[in-house]
Amino acid sequence: DAGVIQSPRHEVTEMGQEVTLRCKPISGHDYLFWYRQTMMRGLELLIYFNNNVPIDDSGMPEDRFSAKMPNASFSTLKIQPSEPRDSAVYFCASSPQPRGNGELFFGEGSRLTVL
Amino acid sequence: DQQVKQNSPSLSVQEGRISILNCDYTNSMFDYFLWYKKYPAEGPTFLISISSIKDKNEDGRFTVFLNKSAKHLSLHIVPSQPGDSAVYFCAAILGSQGNLIFGKGTKLSVKP
Repeated sequence: DAGVIQSPRHEVTEMGQEVTLRCKPISGHDYLFWYRQTMMRGLELLIYFNNNVPIDDSGMPEDRFSAKMPNASFSTLKIQPSEPRDSAVYFCASSPQPRGNGELFFGEGSRLTVL
Repeated sequence: DQQVKQNSPSLSVQEGRISILNCDYTNSMFDYFLWYKKYPAEGPTFLISISSIKDKNEDGRFTVFLNKSAKHLSLHIVPSQPGDSAVYFCAAILGSQGNLIFGKGTKLSVKP
């Protein structure tokens, strides 16, 4: 079975540019999560979806960040305009329903560098 | 304020010895705790979990201990192997929707 697939793996862009990160969750998983990893803050939850509906976006840092899940097999995280402090590794994860033991299945991450 | 804290950013252990990774939490409402392991350039992978109603869970070389009164959990790896070298994240679940709150991680290095 394919795991969570994220693209791009690496993105280098200039300040002010729009960045779009993509995620394909594991088929059949009803929950999708976007996390950001930085040295200062570790792994922090940005937003999660249940059955394509955003449930909690309180972790989204500001209005420059937006996330969508148009269908069960695809989600995007968009940053517009990007800033150097957005540089981080962004992880997408999915999990099945019911919650079970809380295990999340993570993608390999998208490393973003904003110059 | 961090609800899940891993106060040791790094730990170095000799192969064959025990590795003990520690984690403290502040919210007594957490009902599930997990450990994840992360290799460079990969996503975190689930390692072991424990319910708040238990105080120990064992899976092969890995054992997690939970001390609710101290709001503390630990991961023991015995014996440690070089392949265990990775960053270990402690995480806690709050609520029924599976929202995980992670610590900042501890980088474990197991020396041959």
